[in-house]
Amino acid sequence: QVQLKETGPGLVQPTQTLSITCTVSGFSLTSYYMQWVRQTPGKGLEWMGFIRSGGSTEYNSEFKSRLSISRDTSKNQVFLKMNSLKTEDTGVYYCARERTGSWDWGQGVMVTVSS
Amino acid sequence: DIQMTQSPSFLSASVGDRVTINCKASQNINKYLDWYQQKHGEAPKLLIYNTNNLQTGIPSRFSGSGSGTDYTLTISSLQPEDVATYFCLQHSSRPYTFGAGTKLELK
Repeated sequence: QVQLKETGPGLVQPTQTLSITCTVSGFSLTSYYMQWVRQTPGKGLEWMGFIRSGGSTEYNSEFKSRLSISRDTSKNQVFLKMNSLKTEDTGVYYCARERTGSWDWGQGVMVTVSS
Repeated sequence: DIQMTQSPSFLSASVGDRVTINCKASQNINKYLDWYQQKHGEAPKLLIYNTNNLQTGIPSRFSGSGSGTDYTLTISSLQPEDVATYFCLQHSSRPYTFGAGTKLELK
């Protein structure tokens, strides 16, 4: 059974770095692209970037300067790191597995950026 | 970037009504358009992928159509459990972009 679960800090202070882990089961990260999407009150749903099955990455230029996506295939985990957080980065962050023509989404993790 | 203009933003309809939601892309997206349903506090749920392919387990009252820049999600007979917000997603070119959403309520 395919499962994706995001875990994160919940609360992050402005200017700090956000780290979120997506732990997957039921499939191999070396066979699928893994996407990151966020949903914020200000901008709605935004595609952030992905890591390919081969390990290379691509980012939305909106985030490129402060976003990093990586993975540990031995632990079945994908990581999102974003620095220089602002209050506008408050929202729900999702990882998703891209299959042919469709995505399987995790439940999402809420992140609040506040001092 | 491809802009997705979704309409209407808000829709009120009665049980049994036929409902249509539209997404217009700022350029041709070659049918790489998905539709999602999101209920409060939940992750988006895929309904339709690549314009007109019904995701496994989704009721057949949901359908999609379109080509080029114009796409439509249709609910043939609205049910109470369809109350939700609906989004389109284009994955024709990066950055992938979403519509702003349509909030569907019961009249």
